[in-house]
Order: sequence, then structure tokens, then C-alpha cells
Amino acid sequence: DTAVSQTPKYLVTQMGNDKSIKCEQNLGHDTMYWYKQDSKKFLKIMFSYNNKELIINETVPNRFSPKSPDKAHLNLHINSLELGDSAVYFCASSQVNTEAFFGQGTRLTVV
Amino acid sequence: KQEVTQIPAALSVPEGENLVLNCSFTDSAIYNLQWFRQDPGKGLTSLLLIQSSQREQTSGRLNASLDKSSGRSTLYIAASQPGDSATYLCAVPYSGNTPLVFGKGTRLSVIA
Repeated sequence: DTAVSQTPKYLVTQMGNDKSIKCEQNLGHDTMYWYKQDSKKFLKIMFSYNNKELIINETVPNRFSPKSPDKAHLNLHINSLELGDSAVYFCASSQVNTEAFFGQGTRLTVV
Repeated sequence: KQEVTQIPAALSVPEGENLVLNCSFTDSAIYNLQWFRQDPGKGLTSLLLIQSSQREQTSGRLNASLDKSSGRSTLYIAASQPGDSATYLCAVPYSGNTPLVFGKGTRLSVIA
């Protein structure tokens, strides 16, 4: 059973397009996150949701909009994709003060 | 603002050696510290979580220690194997149930 699953695993798209990445966790965690890993492999938080409510929004462009339809899902929608958005996006979940579990990542390539 | 530093950035050792990876953080008011492993092109696998009240945590050949007051943690890998080759990441939450702040990782190569 996959604890945190993301789809798609790979996404290649043209500049200016809109795309979504889906994430689901079956761990019963209250908090879900989106992280971005850049070309230098550095991981940074983008968003944090707790019980479907946005808790943290780091300095991310408005083109990125997370949506949490329920506690087990956190999707990431990106409008007007730019070359600089190319990266690996990771979804994660955790409970208060416990281990965080990560998905396998979505490698986004904007051409 | 919490900052996490990992030293060395890369390490290459012959199979069978014991090794230590280092992690330091600037704000000692952490709730826990987590070590992860990332294989090329893959996601993150959680290795160990140490709560702020603990000094160390062990899992198989891995032992992680935490010195909260000095802002340091080490990951000790005993009898290294080629399968241990990966990038090892250290991460701490800002506080409580907040997102993790990551170091840039140590890329480990174990040569057979």
C-alpha cells in the first residue's frame, strides 16, 4: 500500500499551459505539504495544509494554487507555466510531531 | 529563520567502512529531527526520527544522535554497503506541526 501517492510521475508541457498534480495519502494524517526540489536538489516548502485549511504559503507565485477537497487529498494547480517552474514537486504528509512521509515526486519539465 | 547545514556535501568510501554524516541547525528550538534517504530520481525515504527529548535513535545499521543545545545531529552508518549509496538529507520543523527545513544533503558513494 502506497502511503503518499502522486500523479503523474512525469509531466512535460509547453510554456503558458495550465497543469495539475494530484496527491493522496492513506495514513490518516491531518497535515499535507507541497515541496519543490530545484535543479540543485534543494528542497523547499511551498504550501502546508492542515485539515483542508491553508496554514503556510511561502513566497510562491500566484500561478500556483493548492486545493484540498478533503483531508486525504492535496492537489497543486499551476497556471501559465514558465520555464523556471521546471523542477521536481513532492507531496508529503504528517501528524503533529511525527514522521513526515513523502510521495515519489512529479518531475515537471516546461519546454 | 532556521537554517540546516550538512557536511560533507559528498563522501566516497570503500565497502565495509563505518561513516558519519553531520547535520547542524541554527535554531535549537526544534521539536524533532528527521533523516531521509533519496535515491537518484526517486522520492524521500524516512530513515529515523529523533524527538527533541531523545539523544539517539537506532534502526539496523543506522544510528542517529541529537545534541539539541549545540544544534547538531549525526547519522552513523555501520559496515557500509554499495546499496547505501544515495543522498542523505537532514530536516527539522520550524516548530510543532510545521513544514520541514532541509539541508542540502550529503551524497554518499560506497565503492565495492
